[in-house]
Amino acid sequence: NAGVMQNPRHLVRRRGQEARLRCSPMKGHSHVYWYRQLPEEGLKFMVYLQKENIIDESGMPKERFSAEFPKEGPSILRIQQVVRGDSAAYFCASSIEKYYGYTFGSGTRLTVV
Amino acid sequence: GEDVEQSLFLSVREGDSSVINCTYTDSSSTYLYWYKQEPGAGLQLLTYIFSNMDMKQDQRLTVLLNKKDKHLSLRIADTQTGDSAIYFCAESLTSGTYKYIFGTGTRLKVLA
Repeated sequence: NAGVMQNPRHLVRRRGQEARLRCSPMKGHSHVYWYRQLPEEGLKFMVYLQKENIIDESGMPKERFSAEFPKEGPSILRIQQVVRGDSAAYFCASSIEKYYGYTFGSGTRLTVV
Repeated sequence: GEDVEQSLFLSVREGDSSVINCTYTDSSSTYLYWYKQEPGAGLQLLTYIFSNMDMKQDQRLTVLLNKKDKHLSLRIADTQTGDSAIYFCAESLTSGTYKYIFGTGTRLKVLA
């Protein structure tokens, strides 16, 4: 079992471009969480998805950010028109059920220049 | 409200014990976790404790939970230079989506 796979590991975008971050959960896991870690801070919850459904997006900025977890393929966190303040590490975690502990991926480090 | 607090820095000498503290606010938490993060890396789950337990020991790690004071601690015995990292505590909420609330992290520096 390869664990939670995130790619790319590092992503550099110019202001105004789009960033697409991918997360493949562990095999058999249908619950995916996205967290953001700003420099020198802890992780903050962004969004929780089950296959094809957004369950809780209370931590996600209302504009420019979107997430999906299609029936087939990885979960995608999409940031449109990136700004410098979006520079952070974005972590994905998956679980087999929402009340089980979850496993984190290694993160995608987004740098906006 | 949901808030988890940790002190920012801790410095210890190699071979000494380290104690990292955490306070949380949500009384309905089920599990409380300790994660380790090395520079540029992801989060490694070190240990966790269920909220009806007082203590859990796992090799060099001891977790103590004071539910009355909502205080969690992680003790690392015989601290080594390889233990230098940021340590996060997190609580898993029982309501709704079981999201985790993380502390700001304690940066542990082990001096040789």
